[in-house]
Amino acid sequence: DTGVSQDPRHKITKRGQNVTFRCDPISEHNRLYWYRQTLGQGPEFLTYFQNEAQLEKSRLLSDRFSAERPKGSFSTLEIQRTEQGDSAMYLCASSSRLATAGANVLTFGAGSRLTVL
Amino acid sequence: DAKTTQPNSMESNEEEPVHLPCNHSTISGTDYIHWYRQLPSQGPEYVIHGLTSNVNNRMASLAIAEDRKSSTLILHRATLRDAAVYYCILRDEGGGTSYGKLTFGQGTILTVHP
Repeated sequence: DTGVSQDPRHKITKRGQNVTFRCDPISEHNRLYWYRQTLGQGPEFLTYFQNEAQLEKSRLLSDRFSAERPKGSFSTLEIQRTEQGDSAMYLCASSSRLATAGANVLTFGAGSRLTVL
Repeated sequence: DAKTTQPNSMESNEEEPVHLPCNHSTISGTDYIHWYRQLPSQGPEYVIHGLTSNVNNRMASLAIAEDRKSSTLILHRATLRDAAVYYCILRDEGGGTSYGKLTFGQGTILTVHP
């Protein structure tokens, strides 16, 4: 178990460019979450996958954002036409639906920090 | 989602116990109380959770009020590595469409002095 991996850890881009982040969850986890965190704030929920199905999207996830989880394994989060307001830490977490109720803890990755110039 | 209220910040000295409070007066019967913490430049990590009874693990203890409207995370001997933001979160395990996601507040910034 190597935990949740996120790549890249840091990304600096110019406004208007597209960026993609990748998340590799813990292998036996079928639930996958994306969060966004800006400085001084707690993480905000973006979207949730159960296996390959995207079951919930926050209204924070504008049409410039798209997330996928092909084959229910790794996930990608793409931001098109980046804006300076997209600068944040993007966190991925995974968990197992089969876990005992209440004990279904989320394991987070270290995050991908995006800076839009 | 039921909301929680935590102090913005707290301070402690190394080797001393720390009691981090959390109020959740609108908690429902199916809400579990979860605590996560976030060290600088890292993602949040799970600390402990409970429903009604007090809970202990290797990291901390969780004391839950009898009416469940408040809880306290207890770090028995704070170390410098415990300096982090601590989040108290209610998680609905009663089914529906919450999908087990966590809704974070701003948490409590814990500073530990040597």
